[in-house]
Amino acid sequence: DGGITQSPKYLFRKEGQNVTLSCEQNLNHDAMYWYRQDPGQGLRLIYYSQIVNDFQKGDIAEGYSVSREKKESFPLTVTSAQKNPTAFYLCASSSNPTGDLAYEQYFGPGTRLTVT
Amino acid sequence: GQQVMQIPQYQHVQEGEDFTTYCNSSTTLSNIQWYKQRPGGHPVFLIQLVKSGEVKKQKRLTFQFGEAKKNSSLHITATQTTDVGTYFCAGHSAGGTSYGKLTFGQGTILTVHP
Repeated sequence: DGGITQSPKYLFRKEGQNVTLSCEQNLNHDAMYWYRQDPGQGLRLIYYSQIVNDFQKGDIAEGYSVSREKKESFPLTVTSAQKNPTAFYLCASSSNPTGDLAYEQYFGPGTRLTVT
Repeated sequence: GQQVMQIPQYQHVQEGEDFTTYCNSSTTLSNIQWYKQRPGGHPVFLIQLVKSGEVKKQKRLTFQFGEAKKNSSLHITATQTTDVGTYFCAGHSAGGTSYGKLTFGQGTILTVHP
């Protein structure tokens, strides 16, 4: 089966701890994305990567870090510097845009992170 | 930076009524996508619009892209309980520092009363 997997579905951490969220895809997509979803605020882009070993900050990158060592994997680390880390985190992948045409993003099931 | 505003934030309808959500971008878009997220689920792609003034239909759903490529709408005719969820628009601007990024609207949460 092709798709995107995120693990775990629910994650609980104590304040001050770093935590890494997993995202794996077998769709052979070059681009991968991390979004944060809070109630009433839609999806906000944290980081994205259009090619292996390269990534760009999104709109809310502060307190997060990523790596893209393999095409299939794009893990997100929520660091202790992130002031409000409790949220629903969604990973997505797509083919890279060509000209004016962007391709649909395929989303994983998400990880709900709670930090207390 | 680019902003995409979506209204209304919430819409409650009786089953059988129509529903429309509107999306407005601060900049001209090269294309716009629409996604649906069921309660407890993840966003799923519905459609992409590319051309100025484009109209596309999927059964009871009608999508429009404005002439200036800065606004879009999704209209659902005769809603059903299966239409419940949050509908997002997402704009893409080709070129510049935004290339490859989708900017999502805040979403419209649709509830349908049977």
